[in-house]
Amino acid sequence: EVQLVESGGGLVQPGGSLRLSCAVSGFTFSLYEMNWVRQAPGKGLEWVSFIDTTGSTIYYADSVKGRFTISRDDAKNSLYLQMNSLRAEDTAVYYCARVGSVPAAESMDVWGQGTTVTVSS
Amino acid sequence: QSVLTQPPSVSAAPGQKVTISCSGSSSNIGDNSASWYQQLPGTAPKLLIYDNDDLPSGTPDRFSGSKSGTSATLGITGLQTGDEAVYHCGAWDSVLSVWVFGGGTKLTVL
Repeated sequence: EVQLVESGGGLVQPGGSLRLSCAVSGFTFSLYEMNWVRQAPGKGLEWVSFIDTTGSTIYYADSVKGRFTISRDDAKNSLYLQMNSLRAEDTAVYYCARVGSVPAAESMDVWGQGTTVTVSS
Repeated sequence: QSVLTQPPSVSAAPGQKVTISCSGSSSNIGDNSASWYQQLPGTAPKLLIYDNDDLPSGTPDRFSGSKSGTSATLGITGLQTGDEAVYHCGAWDSVLSVWVFGGGTKLTVL
């Protein structure tokens, strides 16, 4: 069964840091590009970051650029999101999502259950 | 403010049909494929439609997608109470090099 399981969320003070992890199983992780997507309470989806299969192409939303770092460890079948200088507006459920393969390469075909990040003093 | 524009809500009776629009621009929907995601209450989003109009295995054929120019549309026929969810559209933006989503549309089956 294809599965993505996020962890690492929690309550953190403004200015603090968290590292999210996404453990994958049921498919060959190294062959797939990945995303982090977040959803603030009562809001829509907001894309956060993308990483390609080699880790050489990475993109960030302007709202997190310079503060968040995406990475992957294919040996551990894991995706990561290092979040520094956290702000109240970063409060959200964070999902990892797999980019589909052709012909679904412009979609996110598998999502994790999400991990909640709350930034508050 | 989402890059893609969706109506906040739509509603219809069981058995009826409904459409949800998603308006973008030449750099996202106009240049790339649109996808749709269903988010049932309290759950993670799930891919519903990819490549504008293709259904992944598991998506009932009551769901359909289409694209015209810079807009995409999700159609649902034979509405069921189990279809009550928030529906999100998404696309890759070639100019900004970002994924973009709509604000989500809450479907109520009266």
